[in-house]
Amino acid sequence: GGIITQTPKFLIGQEGQKLTLKCQQNFNHDTMYWYRQDSGKGLRLIYYSITENDLQKGDLSEGYDASREKKSSFSLTVTSAQKNEMAVFLCASSIWGGGAEQFFGPGTRLTVL
Amino acid sequence: GDSVTQTEGQVTVSESKSLIINCTYSTTSIAYPNLFWYVRYPGEGLQLLLKVITAGQKGSSRGFEATYNKETTSFHLQKASVQESDSAVYYCALGENSGTYQRFGTGTKLQVVP
Repeated sequence: GGIITQTPKFLIGQEGQKLTLKCQQNFNHDTMYWYRQDSGKGLRLIYYSITENDLQKGDLSEGYDASREKKSSFSLTVTSAQKNEMAVFLCASSIWGGGAEQFFGPGTRLTVL
Repeated sequence: GDSVTQTEGQVTVSESKSLIINCTYSTTSIAYPNLFWYVRYPGEGLQLLLKVITAGQKGSSRGFEATYNKETTSFHLQKASVQESDSAVYYCALGENSGTYQRFGTGTKLQVVP
């Protein structure tokens, strides 16, 4: 088996601040994802990456940047934190694309003051 | 585009009663959808509950079942007799073998009461 680790577990920032969330997986999966989870809105895709150094925008990419410098890691940056984006951010990976099971990390809860 | 609809945000069921959580999907681009149910138990991460890739087939896991109905574009989750330990948030998702990501519904929180 494998595991997905997300750091930090809780992230508190000031409005306008640049904040970075990190994700590591040891499944050796090619594809990794970042989702935002808001109450009542399900999981919305922010960015995904199908291989090292690849980046693809999801439905909610505005205001975010991502980086995949290694196969095992995928970072998400909130470029300018806003109070209306307080949410839980989930990282996931899968062995390949949309037909395969996704494995999820425990999440990072973002609070913006 | 593609979308998944879960009409119930929260469902409360008495222990040992039957359950159905509705999921319908819509797609303009996926010829052969793959359908998933994921679950998040309290204090745990989101994990796959079951998956069906062929229309007309049924998937099952932990006493839950879901049948992929292409005619009604539905993938409802059912259980004959729920337990308190089934209390969790359930997400329906739509994917494609040749695609790169999945579409998730808004989730249904199941509360099983004694």
